[in-house]
Amino acid sequence: QQQVKQSPQSLIVQKGGISIINCAYENTAFDYFPWYQQFPGKGPALLIAIRPDVSEKKEGRFTISFNKSAKQFSLHIMDSQPGDSATYFCAASIEYNQGGKLIFGQGTELSVKP
Amino acid sequence: EAGVVQSPRYKIIEKKQPVAFWCNPISGHNTLYWYRQNLGQGPELLIRYENEEAVDDSQLPKDRFSAERLKGVDSTLKIQPAELGDSAVYLCASSWPGPSGGTDTQYFGPGTRLTVL
Repeated sequence: QQQVKQSPQSLIVQKGGISIINCAYENTAFDYFPWYQQFPGKGPALLIAIRPDVSEKKEGRFTISFNKSAKQFSLHIMDSQPGDSATYFCAASIEYNQGGKLIFGQGTELSVKP
Repeated sequence: EAGVVQSPRYKIIEKKQPVAFWCNPISGHNTLYWYRQNLGQGPELLIRYENEEAVDDSQLPKDRFSAERLKGVDSTLKIQPAELGDSAVYLCASSWPGPSGGTDTQYFGPGTRLTVL
């Protein structure tokens, strides 16, 4: 019940296209859903995050769509660029009671072709 | 502002040897995390500190792993003895409590890549 399932495992998108990564969870107590971006040899860096009281959050080319009833959330990268090529992780946590322990998905390796 | 600093960046050891990783969190961050990231997987929490206190070490294999954060700043994670299955990237992260009292954004260091031969 603590798992976060992420798909696809890898994704190849043409420059200018839309990249979509999906995650699903079971624990309805999760109340914080961040997406992290990781480049080779670097630690994960927070990209964008959402709480379950909203259905969508947009920051620049990055949008999180959240479906509470389906217990799913997704990351959309609009106008994908080669510089977006990285591994993306969704995560979930029960922020206050458990001190923000992040449960990560398995990751999606995104490759944006020029 | 300096980020989370970790050393060494790479470590190769033979099985049964001890190894230690060091982390210096972002200044003022009183919450510190150690994660393990296996190849092709997401990070998994090993231990979380609030200042000097380990408040969640449920995922730490205590027979061979130990950690300390003596003065509530730097932290060390140790493995003794190392096993082949310990090969992974060990990530340190830190955070400051958010305005609601919960945990704010976790900032990760670059990690230490451990190879056990």
